[in-house]
Amino acid sequence: RKEVEQDPGPFNVPEGATVAFNCTYSNSASQSFFWYRQDCRKEPKLLMSVYSSGNEDGRFTAQLNRASQYISLLIRDSKLSDSATYLCAVIPGNTPLVFGKGTRLSVIA
Amino acid sequence: DTEVTQTPKHLVMGMTNKKSLKCEQHMGHRAMYWYKQKAKKPPELMFVYSYEKLSINESVPSRFSPECPNSSLLNLHLHALQPEDSALYLCASSQVRSGYEQYFGPGTRLTVT
Repeated sequence: RKEVEQDPGPFNVPEGATVAFNCTYSNSASQSFFWYRQDCRKEPKLLMSVYSSGNEDGRFTAQLNRASQYISLLIRDSKLSDSATYLCAVIPGNTPLVFGKGTRLSVIA
Repeated sequence: DTEVTQTPKHLVMGMTNKKSLKCEQHMGHRAMYWYKQKAKKPPELMFVYSYEKLSINESVPSRFSPECPNSSLLNLHLHALQPEDSALYLCASSQVRSGYEQYFGPGTRLTVT
């Protein structure tokens, strides 16, 4: 089993839709979780850290489920500008970040 | 300020050339990273420096040679590369090596001819 597995894409959604991505991790000792956004030919940009209590930033909500070992990202009221690849990332213990393969989102007018 | 800078933005080099990629951060971070990213793939870790010492080398070929001159700078020296080494090379930094989010520079797009 891979360390971090992510929903396969692409997700093509209309503007205004709600879309959710999930990401599972295999190491139960993992302590830190993140969502990054990467635009085409650009660097990954940190979107959100994911905390045990969940966190929200505007239209974006991130959740952590330790029992089932997954994190999720919910985007409400999708905008055209949300089109990008979303990468989940996990720090599995005392090792560097491990990325999922990424999920491509296309928001269509 | 969460800025990591990288130079050059683009680099084309022949297989016999020697070149260097540079990365700088002024956030006081003590961990710095080099990643390689191919199209439609996630970033792939190459090296980790922690407190200016190399702590992880992910079995990277010796034609890639990292250097950390001080806590703000990270270099990647390139020599005798192969065409399959063409990729986006990303530098990142974090407060310390473990547990903290990483911030990425814009990358150097390398083409080996």
